[in-house]
Amino acid sequence: NAGVMQNPRHLVRRRGQEARLRCSPMKGHSHVYWYRQLPEEGLKFMVYLQKENIIDESGMPKERFSAEFPKEGPSILRIQQVVRGDSAAYFCASSPASSGANVLTFGAGSRLTVL
Amino acid sequence: AQSVSQHNHHVILSEAASLELGCNYSYGGTVNLFWYVQYPGQHLQLLLKYFSGDPLVKGIKGFEAEFIKSKFSFNLRKPSVQWSDTAEYFCAVKPSTNAGKSTFGDGTTLTVKP
Repeated sequence: NAGVMQNPRHLVRRRGQEARLRCSPMKGHSHVYWYRQLPEEGLKFMVYLQKENIIDESGMPKERFSAEFPKEGPSILRIQQVVRGDSAAYFCASSPASSGANVLTFGAGSRLTVL
Repeated sequence: AQSVSQHNHHVILSEAASLELGCNYSYGGTVNLFWYVQYPGQHLQLLLKYFSGDPLVKGIKGFEAEFIKSKFSFNLRKPSVQWSDTAEYFCAVKPSTNAGKSTFGDGTTLTVKP
């Protein structure tokens, strides 16, 4: 079982460019969560998705950020017109399609650096 | 909305010392509680979890945590730490009634000196 796969592991962008981060959940998991860890801070929830549905996006910045989890393929976190403050580690986690106390399985993270 | 507070940002201990990391949460309903650990260069992984029943839960590598409902706390303990316990530790809370988001504390970095 490959676990949660995130790519790229490291991404460098210049201000104004777009960043796309991909996450393939663990086999059998249909819930995907994105978290952001800014330098010297903890994990902050961004968005929770199931296949073709955004369930909770209360942690997403109002502008420039979007997420999707299509019927086929990985979940994608997209950041348009990146700024230096977007530099962070972005972690994806997945859990099974059952309610209640689901344990999160995390990916290795994607580290975005904005020059 | 739920929130989590971890009291210590950085803890430094010598090997064989006892460890207690504080975690308090805020939420009006029933919760599931977790401690996750991130060893240097590795993924975040589950250390232990509380769903229901015995409030004293045991996890991997000799860690345990006690859920005290009246104090909204879920402190992590280990009687005798090892150098290999050096890592960052995150407490997390999730409402137990749905498959919603887990909210994490800011993390505690534990450094164990050999």
